[in-house]
Amino acid sequence: QVQLQQSGPGLVKPSQTLSLTCAISGDSVSSIRTAWNWIRQSPSRGLEWLGRIYYRSKWGNDYAVSVKSRIAITPDTSKNQFSLHLKSVTPEDTAVYYCARVAYDTTGHLERLFDYWGQGILVTVSS
Amino acid sequence: QSVMTQPPSASGTPGQRVTISCSGSSSNIGSNYVYWYQQLPGTAPKLLIYRSNQRPSGVPDRFSGSKSGTSASLAISGLRSEDEANYYCASWDDSLSGVVFGGGTKLTVL
Repeated sequence: QVQLQQSGPGLVKPSQTLSLTCAISGDSVSSIRTAWNWIRQSPSRGLEWLGRIYYRSKWGNDYAVSVKSRIAITPDTSKNQFSLHLKSVTPEDTAVYYCARVAYDTTGHLERLFDYWGQGILVTVSS
Repeated sequence: QSVMTQPPSASGTPGQRVTISCSGSSSNIGSNYVYWYQQLPGTAPKLLIYRSNQRPSGVPDRFSGSKSGTSASLAISGLRSEDEANYYCASWDDSLSGVVFGGGTKLTVL
């Protein structure tokens, strides 16, 4: 059974960097049949996909246009986890942040989008 | 404003069948699968339907999904009080090169 455990601060000051970590059990961050994602949810923006990392003989990533200039998602294979770094935050970045898995079939096609989720962390951006 | 459009609310009585729609475009629903999620208050979304009409194990067959053109629907038959939740659709968008969500539909069981 796959489990995702999130950790990180619940309060970040404006202009600083928001950093969260998602620890994976029951799967591998390096699996070639998965991608590891960050999603956030706020009353004003609803559910918003932020980006993903994946390993296919080398690491790749994709980021949402809305945050592309400020985001980085990085893997830590030694701890089997991945992290979100969102810089220059403003109060508009206040949201519940989730990590989630995407699974691909044996031919490399998307099969299950966000089949496992972390518990979510409310991050408030405020001084 | 969400890329895909859902009605903000829906309702039904116990035992009834309700449907929730999701309208997109050629770059998302029109060329990719649709996924549906159920979110209970204070919890993470749960995958209900994948690849437009497939149910993960453990999801009751009361839930079903369909897709036609640039629209999709989630149907819930034999409505139960525990189905009261928010429901979201999602799809990959080729133009945006990312995942897009609908704005969500709050289902009330009367």
